[in-house]
Parts: sequence; structure tokens; C-alpha cells
Amino acid sequence: GAVVSQHPSRVICKSGTSVKIECRSLDFQATTMFWYRQFPKKSLMLMATSNEGSKATYEQGVEKDKFLINHASLTLSTLTVTSAHPEDSSFYICSARGKTSGRSSGTVETQYFGPGTRLLVL
Amino acid sequence: GESVGLHLPTLSVQEGDNSIINCAYSNSASDYFIWYKQESGKGPQFIIDIRSNMDKRQGQRVTVLLNKTVKHLSLQIAATQPGDSAVYFCAESYNQGGKLIFGQGTELSVKP
Repeated sequence: GAVVSQHPSRVICKSGTSVKIECRSLDFQATTMFWYRQFPKKSLMLMATSNEGSKATYEQGVEKDKFLINHASLTLSTLTVTSAHPEDSSFYICSARGKTSGRSSGTVETQYFGPGTRLLVL
Repeated sequence: GESVGLHLPTLSVQEGDNSIINCAYSNSASDYFIWYKQESGKGPQFIIDIRSNMDKRQGQRVTVLLNKTVKHLSLQIAATQPGDSAVYFCAESYNQGGKLIFGQGTELSVKP
């Protein structure tokens, strides 16, 4: 249990275009999903927290209009990078938290991470 | 602000030896701690967690120790294998599973 997927795994786009990244919890209902950004050899930086059916809560310094987050269901959250620029190139990772099947060794507080999406803006 | 940090950014061990990865945290209110393993180009993988009402928890080949007195967390890996080579992150949260605060990470390298 506790499998999280992300799509696409890798995307290359032109500057000025928008890119949508999907995050899905495959075998559990995620009451909360989180979006992180990670630079090479660095730790994870939380961008926003997304609760199903409500607006996302963004961390300080993260532009809401730049990084649009939608949590439409208990198994799906999307991150849209609008008008992407080269400085938006990064590794974007989502995580999901919720009641799992019980076979995982975590708790309802545990965040399970997706495999990440590598974004390269040319 | 308060943060989670690690004592060693890199750790090299011989295959078969035990590994110990350390983490210091500064928020005394933190009540939940997790260790993640991240391989290159992949997302973090859950290893083991521990609540603040415990001081030790064991998993398969891994043990997490929590010392609240000195705000210290460690991950012990028994009989380290080449497949254990990765970056290990500790993370803390408080208030019944709030957002995670990640440490800087320790890169574990296992020599055959």
C-alpha cells in the first residue's frame, strides 16, 4: 500500500509555455497532498500544501499565480507551472498523506512521495 | 528559524558494516520523525518513522533512535549493502502530522 505516482516523469518545454504535473495516490485516499521542489544535491523545499476541495496553502516566497495547484479528488492533485522560464527548471516531487491500507509501516501522518518530475525549460 | 540538520553530509562504509546516520533537530515541539531514502533521480522512499513518545523503533535491518533530551535522531542500518547507497533525509513534524521539515541530507556510499 501507499503508492504515489507522478506524470510526466520528465518534461522539456519552451520558455513561456505552461506545464501540468499530475500526482495520484494509487491505493489510498490522500486527504492532503504536498508539492516540493528540489535542486541538485539539496534538500526538499515545500512549495504548498493541498487539501481536497479547498485552496492550497503556499509557503512564503512561492508565487500562487505561478504555481497553480488543484486538488480535485482524494486521489489526484495537479501542479501547473504557468509561463515557465528557465529558472523554473527543477525536480518537482509530490507527496500524499492519508489512511493507507495498513500494510505500510507508516501512520496516517506519514507522507508518501511520488517518483518526481524533472522539468527543463529551454 | 528552527530546522532539522545533519552532522555528516557524507558517509562512506564498507559493505557488511553497520551504518549510523545522525540528525539534530531544534524544535522541541516536534512529535513525529521520519527517515527517507532517496536514490538519484527518484522520489524519497519511506524507511521508518517514530513518534516522540518512543525512543527506539526497529524495522527490517533499520533502527531509529530518538533522544529528546538532546534533540537527536539517528538511523542505524545493519549489514549495509551496496543497494543502501543513497541520500538519507530525516524529517520532523509537529501538531499531529503537520508539514514536514527536512534536514539537509546525508549521502551514504557503500564500498564493496
